Formats: sequence, C-alpha cells, structure tokens
Amino acid sequence: AQKITQTQPGMFVQEKEAVTLDCTYDTSDQSYGLFWYKQPSSGEMIFLIYQGSYDEQNATEGRYSLNFQKARKSANLVISASQLGDSAMYFCAMRLGAQKLVFGQGTRLTINP
Amino acid sequence: NAGVTQTPKFRVLKTGQSMTLLCAQDMNHEYMYWYRQDPGMGLRLIHYSVGEGTTAKGEVPDGYNVSRLKKQNFLLGLESAAPSQTSVYFCASRSTPEAFFGQGTRLTVV
Repeated sequence: AQKITQTQPGMFVQEKEAVTLDCTYDTSDQSYGLFWYKQPSSGEMIFLIYQGSYDEQNATEGRYSLNFQKARKSANLVISASQLGDSAMYFCAMRLGAQKLVFGQGTRLTINP
Repeated sequence: NAGVTQTPKFRVLKTGQSMTLLCAQDMNHEYMYWYRQDPGMGLRLIHYSVGEGTTAKGEVPDGYNVSRLKKQNFLLGLESAAPSQTSVYFCASRSTPEAFFGQGTRLTVV
C-alpha cells in the first residue's frame, strides 16, 4: 500500500522551542517526493518544504527543515524557534511517481506563549 | 496572478441534487487534483488529471465524476448528492514540485 502516516494528532509546544512533527510513508516506487503543508485556521494550504527521494541532503527553508531518513521511510518536519503564528494544522504529503499526490491525516500544532 | 480559483466557495444542497464544482488555474500546470477534507481524515484524493482530456481515480472516487476538457479547468461533479458528501473540497494544480491550492469549497448536503 502507498500511504502517508502522521501519528501525532496534536502537539503542544512552548514558544521559541523547536518542534518535530512526525511523518512516515510507505511506497515501493523509487522516485517520489515528500512535502509539508501548513493549514492555518483560515483554511488555506501553504507549501512549506519539499524533499525528493534522490536528494541526498535534507531540505531546509528558513526555520523549516525536513529530516529525511530514507531507510526508515520517515520525513519529519523540524521547526526551529517556534512562534505563535506557527499554530496550525500540518500535513505531510507524498508525490508518487510524477502524478499522484496523497496526504497524511495531519497534526494540529499549538504554540503556547 | 489568480493561481487556483474554486467556484463556488459555499453551497448547500438537498439530498439527491446535483452540482458541479469548478477549478480554474492560470499557471499552465499539467496536473490537477480534487480532494475532500473531513475532520480527522486529512485530505483524501478524489480524482486527479495528468493533462487535458485525462482523468484518474484517487482514494475516494465513489459518488463523484470529473472532466478536464480544457487544460486550465478541472470540474468535479456530484450527480446525486448524499449527506456523506458534506465536506470541504480543495482543488490543486501542480508543476514541479509544489502543488498550489484553491481556497476550498464548503459543501453541505442536507
């Protein structure tokens, strides 16, 4: 089965702390891509970061980094120095081949002041 | 630059009625997707298209039909709406690698 699993329904973190959101995936494809999206309470989907299956270095975008462990089939999102505005739903997604794009169930992150 | 536009943004249907949701993108993307989002379920793929004139089933295709007659438009149809189809529907289009999303359509079937 080709699927994405996010095992943390909710996370609570103190402001300025780092946070890791877990994502594991299952695919037999050799070529795939992994994404993280943020969905604030307003509902829009905001692209955060991407990692290709052949990329050897972990992707980084500002305070976001993707901890890609291919052998473990995990693609965790790390947010450094969390801010109140980081409170949102976070979705991990996987591109299968060149076409299909499937999402995990999401993790609701709450940043406490 | 409009990006991805979904029409309508809100709709209430009675059970058994039909409707079509329109997704339009102005980025010349080949790939387009329809998802539904329900509490605790994340985004589930309904149908997708890899180019004009093509469509394919996703994870939850039953009760929906799609068409991609023009590259820029991807239509999602409900032939006979059911209360189980109450959801928020998102359209997305993709080049490489990022997918761009519309603002969503909140559909309620009563």
